Parts: sequence; C-alpha cells; structure tokens
Amino acid sequence: EAGVAQSPRYKIIEKRQSVAFWCNPISGHATLYWYQQILGQGPKLLIQFQNNGVVDDSQLPKDRFSAERLKGVDSTLKIQPAKLEDSAVYLCASSSGGFTEAFFGQGTRLTVV
Amino acid sequence: GNSVTQMEGPVTLSEEAFLTINCTYTATGYPSLFWYVQYPGEGLQLLLKATKADDKGSNKGFEATYRKETTSFHLEKGSVQVSDSAVYFCALGDNYGQNFVFGPGTRLSVLP
Repeated sequence: EAGVAQSPRYKIIEKRQSVAFWCNPISGHATLYWYQQILGQGPKLLIQFQNNGVVDDSQLPKDRFSAERLKGVDSTLKIQPAKLEDSAVYLCASSSGGFTEAFFGQGTRLTVV
Repeated sequence: GNSVTQMEGPVTLSEEAFLTINCTYTATGYPSLFWYVQYPGEGLQLLLKATKADDKGSNKGFEATYRKETTSFHLEKGSVQVSDSAVYFCALGDNYGQNFVFGPGTRLSVLP
C-alpha cells in the first residue's frame, strides 16, 4: 500500500513570497489533515478535510494560508505572503476514519529567509 | 477543547534502562489514544494505540494502557536500546471529528 505522498521535500523562499505544498493521501482515505510542526514542538493542526469538505480550520491563519482538496483526493496548501515565523515542517496525514490512526507523509521543510 | 500534556524532555537513559514517558489528556467523549515516534530524519510513525478504556497498546516492546480514571496513557518499555533514540509524541483522536491533537513531544536519547 502506497503511503502519503508530499512534495516538495524542501523549500526555501524569501519573506513575502508565496509557496504551495502538495499532498496525495492513501487511496480511499476520506480524511486529510495538514499540520504545521515548528522545530522542537508537536504538530499543530491547520486544517482537516472530510472528502472535499472542511471539518476544522479554526487554527488556519486565513489571511495568508489557504487549502483546498478538489475531488476529495489530493490537496494543496498555500501560503501567501510568507513570514519568517512560517518556517516549519508542513505535514500531511490521512485517515480512513472511525477508530483508526492517521498516517503521515514525510513532510515539507519550509525555510523563510 | 481537547489537549495532551507530556512530560518535559529531553530524557537520557543508559541502554537496558526502564523507560516511562508520562502523558495525560483532556477530552470530551471517548477518544482514541496514540503514541507516535519520530526517528531522526524520518516522518511520524504510529508506535501503538488504544481505542477504549483499559485497553493496552503494545509494539516493539513498548506498552501503554488507556486509563480513563486518571486520563493518562503513559508509555513504558522495560529495556531501552540505542535504536529507540527518537522523539515520542502522545496524541488523541476525537472519534467524532477525528481531530488528531498532539502533545509537544519528548526527546529520548539512549546511551550505549
């Protein structure tokens, strides 16, 4: 079974630039999450999708972050414009729901300079 | 809202020592509880889980028991190895919305 795929693995941008991350979840998983993990901290949920609908985006900084999950499969997370404090690893995860765990991709390490 | 608290790290142990990493949670309803591990340079991997009170999750010599009365899910291993050096995250899954909430992580270093 293929895991959660994310790209790119690494990205360096200047502040005020824009950036996009892509995630392809495990086939058949209806739930998709985006997390932000700042160095030395636990992952913080940014947004959760159920199929192509948003379940929770309460911690997403909507003035600069946006995410979509068209057709209920893969997803993109965008930051525009980026700030220095956005430097982090962005993790995508998927789940089949119920009592099951979330499966994580390798993450995208973003550095904003 | 839901939250997870873990013991502060880093934890440094000698090989074959006993390990306990404390985890307590706050949640509405009856969540599922998880321990994830992040080895150096790798992504988050599920280590073990428990879906209801008194369940014991186990994997690779690690164990944790879902204690509803103390809202805890402490991770234990009887004899750690150098290869267990990693960051360990306690997590909570809300079975209504599957909102996975993570603790801050505990870094474990095992010395030979």
